[in-house]
Amino acid sequence: KQEVTQIPAALSVPEGENLVLNCSFTDSAIYNLQWFRQDPGKGLTSLLLIQSSQREQTSGRLNASLDKSSGRSTLYIAASQPGDSATYLCAVWEGTYKYIFGTGTRLKVLA
Amino acid sequence: EPEVTQTPSHQVTQMGQEVILRCVPISNHLYFYWYRQILGQKVEFLVSFYNNEISEKSEIFDDQFSVERPDGSNFTLKIRSTKLEDSAMYFCASSPTSRETQYFGPGTRLLVL
Repeated sequence: KQEVTQIPAALSVPEGENLVLNCSFTDSAIYNLQWFRQDPGKGLTSLLLIQSSQREQTSGRLNASLDKSSGRSTLYIAASQPGDSATYLCAVWEGTYKYIFGTGTRLKVLA
Repeated sequence: EPEVTQTPSHQVTQMGQEVILRCVPISNHLYFYWYRQILGQKVEFLVSFYNNEISEKSEIFDDQFSVERPDGSNFTLKIRSTKLEDSAMYFCASSPTSRETQYFGPGTRLLVL
């Protein structure tokens, strides 16, 4: 049974720092992995989608990498800003009907 | 860019009442999903729906829940006789095929008192 874990659970950094959020999954047979942002009490905003054949995806200050064989993905945020404060979720799709979500990393960027 | 929409954004109901959560998937998508997130917990899959049938459901999706596509645009989740533990954020998602990524709506926050 697929399990998705995110470390750390919470992170607080000063503005301007580069940071890395980690996501690990137990079964490497995935079709894609998606990173989402969730603001408090709000919905899910898709940030980056990495297909299983890809190693990384970039969007602006965000870069996500995928190492399927080791069951890991990282989300790199460059030059963090207070507006980046949110919970970041990763989710894997195994080709069945559902995404399996991680526990999330709650990020706070201090001005 | 097309997006999934959900109504209402918030709903408060009394325990034992029935609620219907509504979703409008992206127009050319054929697969529809509901997920749930209890406060402070993971987002969990509830059900997937295709061609007017449930294609997969989780163990959470018991007889209290039902889904329907009443017309060509809406996709609904009905919760009969709500319980306190049904309080959660409910997300709808849709995808063009079962093999393509799912697009999520903004969610409906349900509070059962």
